[in-house]
Amino acid sequence: GAVVSQHPSWVICKSGTSVKIECRSLDFQATTMFWYRQFPKQSLMLMATSNEGSKATYEQGVEKDKFLINHASLTLSTLTVTSAHPEDSSFYICSASSSGRSGANVLTFGAGSRLTVL
Amino acid sequence: AQSVTQPDIHITVSEGASLELRCNYSYGATPYLFWYVQSPGQGLQLLLKYFSGDTLVQGIKGFEAEFKRSQSSFNLRKPSVHWSDAAEYFCAVAPLGKFYFGTGTSLTVIP
Repeated sequence: GAVVSQHPSWVICKSGTSVKIECRSLDFQATTMFWYRQFPKQSLMLMATSNEGSKATYEQGVEKDKFLINHASLTLSTLTVTSAHPEDSSFYICSASSSGRSGANVLTFGAGSRLTVL
Repeated sequence: AQSVTQPDIHITVSEGASLELRCNYSYGATPYLFWYVQSPGQGLQLLLKYFSGDTLVQGIKGFEAEFKRSQSSFNLRKPSVHWSDAAEYFCAVAPLGKFYFGTGTSLTVIP
């Protein structure tokens, strides 16, 4: 089945630095990838939709200058948290969209990246 | 606007007992419906999905879900729960390809 690899799984950084998280679809091409943020014991909040070869579409309230998304190829999307602050500490999960048998999309998730900003 | 409601924040069941997790959605048409499971510190794993056709869908790990249009529900069931089923369960709808998740139901399994 479809596999999505997310790296790194854990990252600790100092306040003010930038962190890049990679999301790769390993055995399929994903024209669309999604980035979610999850706070402890809460649901997933859709941050943005990443489309290969074009600008990402951000959800309302998500700062696009802080959370830079690049989808340079059909198998790779990156999320860069710029000038990270402690409030950016969270669990970030990417997912890639692939077509199911009915032509409808199924989301395959990465294992997530836990970011801690000191 | 579309929304997903999981009324039960937390459920505790005994191992071997049956399980039902509730999910209601609000959307003008019938969206694609999903159930995902998340173990602590992990990503999400797809349990099952409904696109069309038979309203009772079978998933992995012995789970099934029934789509009821009249109730706008897509409840998840399992006849006999195992200790390894303890996790967070999320219902999701995907109108027009964008996924929206419910707030999740945390399942605890006691011996």
